[in-house]
Amino acid sequence: KQEVTQIPAALSVPEGENLVLNCSFTDSAIYNLQWFRQDPGKGLTSLLLIQSSQREQTSGRLNASLDKSSGRSTLYIAASQPGDSATYLCASQGGKLIFGQGTELSVKP
Amino acid sequence: GAVVSQHPSWVICKSGTSVKIECRSLDFQATTMFWYRQFPKQSLMLMATSNEGSKATYEQGVEKDKFLINHASLTLSTLTVTSAHPEDSSFYICSARPTGGLYYGYTFGSGTRLTVV
Repeated sequence: KQEVTQIPAALSVPEGENLVLNCSFTDSAIYNLQWFRQDPGKGLTSLLLIQSSQREQTSGRLNASLDKSSGRSTLYIAASQPGDSATYLCASQGGKLIFGQGTELSVKP
Repeated sequence: GAVVSQHPSWVICKSGTSVKIECRSLDFQATTMFWYRQFPKQSLMLMATSNEGSKATYEQGVEKDKFLINHASLTLSTLTVTSAHPEDSSFYICSARPTGGLYYGYTFGSGTRLTVV
């Protein structure tokens, strides 16, 4: 049974700082690893999708990496802004999409 | 890009009544859609997988008779919460992925906040 773990559970940083969110998964037999953002009371917005054959994906200030052999993915956010404050979820896609518990990020002005 | 529309965004109903939530893929076909439930400050819990033209597959512990799922077309899945009780109050979110796209990402609806009074 796939288990997805995210650390830290919460993170508070000053504006402008670079930061890394971590995601680990127990079963490496996945199709994709997907990162989402969720604002309070809202649905999920897809940030980055890394297919199993890929090592990383980039979109603007976001960079996500995937290491299937070690069961790890990281989301790197450069030059953080207050608007980045949200909960970030990673999810492994095998037969189902399994979510981690999320990292609640707060970026202080 | 792929868009999933979910309605209503919020609903308040009386205990004992039923509520239907719709999930539509607007610009792609989805043989399979997924229904999640989310409690405050918690992650998403997969409730069931909705399969077009066949019965839904429910996760362990999810009551099939309480959460009725219908996937009548390649673009529409519905979740009906029957005989709702206050403990069914939660945030329900659907998602879908293009048919045949194992390596495509999932797109999520905006969610439905259900409050049972």
